[in-house]
Parts: sequence; C-alpha cells; structure tokens
Amino acid sequence: EPEVTQTPSHQVTQMGQEVILRCVPISNHLYFYWYRQILGQKVEFLVSFYNNEISEKSEIFDDQFSVERPDGSNFTLKIRSTKLEDSAMYFCAVKGGTDTQYFGPGTRLTVL
Amino acid sequence: GENVEQHPSTLSVQEGDSAVIKCTYSDSASNYFPWYKQELGKRPQLIIDIRSNVGEKKDQRIAVTLNKTAKHFSLHITETQPEDSAVYFCAATSASGGSYIPTFGRGTSLIVHP
Repeated sequence: EPEVTQTPSHQVTQMGQEVILRCVPISNHLYFYWYRQILGQKVEFLVSFYNNEISEKSEIFDDQFSVERPDGSNFTLKIRSTKLEDSAMYFCAVKGGTDTQYFGPGTRLTVL
Repeated sequence: GENVEQHPSTLSVQEGDSAVIKCTYSDSASNYFPWYKQELGKRPQLIIDIRSNVGEKKDQRIAVTLNKTAKHFSLHITETQPEDSAVYFCAATSASGGSYIPTFGRGTSLIVHP
C-alpha cells in the first residue's frame, strides 16, 4: 500500500484566513486527489491532479480552492478565504497500481 | 453522474453474527467497486474490492458480491468481532474519460457487541 503523509494533522484558523494543506506521497505517483469529509458524513471528491495539472474537479472545488505541486514532491491544497462550512477532514489520496485510491491520514481543519 | 446509495446507515450485531451492507449504483459504466473501512478519526482504508468482470470475491471473513444487471453490490462480514466496529463505505468507480474518481456511499456504522 502506498504511503502518504499529510501535514498538519490539525489546523485551526479564523474565518477569512488562508490555509495550505500539504500531502507528501512517499513514492512516485502520477495521480493525486483531494477529498473532504464533513464530520459524520461521506467522503466527497474535490479535485484530481495528473501530470501536474487538474484533470477533474467537483462543484465543491470553486475559486476559493487551488492545488499545486510546488516542488515536484509536495502536493498542496490551498483555501484562500476560509468559511465556517470549510471545517472538515481533508484527505489526500494517490492512485495505486490498479484503480484503487489510498488515503493519507488526513488534516482536520477547524474554522472559527 | 454516478449516484451510490448505501444501506443500512447503522447496523448493530452480536459478536459472531454476520453483517451485510448493500449498495446500489446508477452508472452502468462503473466497473470498479472498492469498500473502505474507517475507524473513528482515521483514514478510510481499503478492505476489499471487486471489478465488473467478477461476480464474487472473498478474503477470509470478508466477501463482496456484485450484480451488474441489477447494479448492486454487497459486503458480507462473517464471524464479526468487536474490532470490526467502524464505518464502512462502498464506492463505485468509472474509468470512462480516463477518470478514476470513486463516488462514495453515505457509509454504514457497524457496531459489534461483545
């Protein structure tokens, strides 16, 4: 199973502030994904990233969100101006050898 | 787009009993169906998966069945143990257009009483 780490594990921020969530896959991967899980709800797709560009995004992924691989290793999700409803667990995932997606440990974002 | 329905939302069983979780999907192009187990505060972890060219797959106490015609698939856990207690998510994935984005069900909270 591919290893994926995420930092920070918990981020507390004030409404309107920018946050950057980081994902570091241990081995080389081409496909990256961000998902969101509001407490007690299902996992929701945000965006997929392939070959250093967005390949697909959901309705949730509006102009407040952006992704990039700034140094070819880290994969980041930026929320420009956080809202209360952005409070959730954010999971990074990578695609394995088959169609399976493997999730990182997640970042709990709390917007106050 | 794909729509995945999952039932029940909560399932309570006694240790040693079997548990069955059912999912339906809407997109006939979906061809890969993973099941994830999520313990409280942790990441979803793949426990078993099945492809559309297979009707059943088993791994020790866990099995998954797929009925492509009816567009439903099920997770079966036999001889349940307290450590099986978790939220289980089904998902359906279509590789159409090169996308491998799974659509998740709403989850089933399985509680196994010792």
